[in-house]
Amino acid sequence: KQEVTQIPAALSVPEGENLVLNCSFTDSAIYNLQWFRQDPGKGLTSLLLIQSSQREQTSGRLNASLDKSSGRSTLYIAASQPGDSATYLCAVKGNTNAGKSTFGDGTTLTVKP
Amino acid sequence: DAGVTQSPTHLIKTRGQQVTLRCSPKSGHDTVSWYQQALGQGPQFIFQYYEEEERQRGNFPDRFSGHQFPNYSSELNVNALLLGDSALYLCASSWAGINTEAFFGQGTRLTVV
Repeated sequence: KQEVTQIPAALSVPEGENLVLNCSFTDSAIYNLQWFRQDPGKGLTSLLLIQSSQREQTSGRLNASLDKSSGRSTLYIAASQPGDSATYLCAVKGNTNAGKSTFGDGTTLTVKP
Repeated sequence: DAGVTQSPTHLIKTRGQQVTLRCSPKSGHDTVSWYQQALGQGPQFIFQYYEEEERQRGNFPDRFSGHQFPNYSSELNVNALLLGDSALYLCASSWAGINTEAFFGQGTRLTVV
């Protein structure tokens, strides 16, 4: 059974700081990993999708990496802004249950002005 | 493109009642997945529909059922509501296949009293 863990559960940083969010998963046989952003009480916004054959993906100030062998992914946010404050979730799609994504419980980020 | 739309946005029901939630997928998407998200936790997979059939199911009781229509829209039905069913219900759509990006709606907040 796939398990996804995100550490830390909460993070508070001053504006302008670069930061890294962590995601680990127990079963390395995955098809892809997706990072999402969730604002309070809202749905999920897709940030980056990394296929199992890829090592990283970049979009603007965001960079996500994937190391399948160690069961880890990181989301790097450069030059953080107060508007980045949200909960960040990672989801892993495995090859034993095609179509099902397993989520972590998220990291809640607060960027202070 | 309206993206994934869910209705209603909020709902209050009494224990023992039945509820139906609706989802319209992103234009061109043919696969719909439903998730339940309790406060402070990551989304939990309920089931997935493709070609009007339930393709996968998570660890949820038979009180949770669904349907997909020929236009790919979907419904989630929950019978005999329990207080513990109070959660944010999220719908995700994607293309058929495995390595595809999932897009989520804004969710339906269900409160059972």
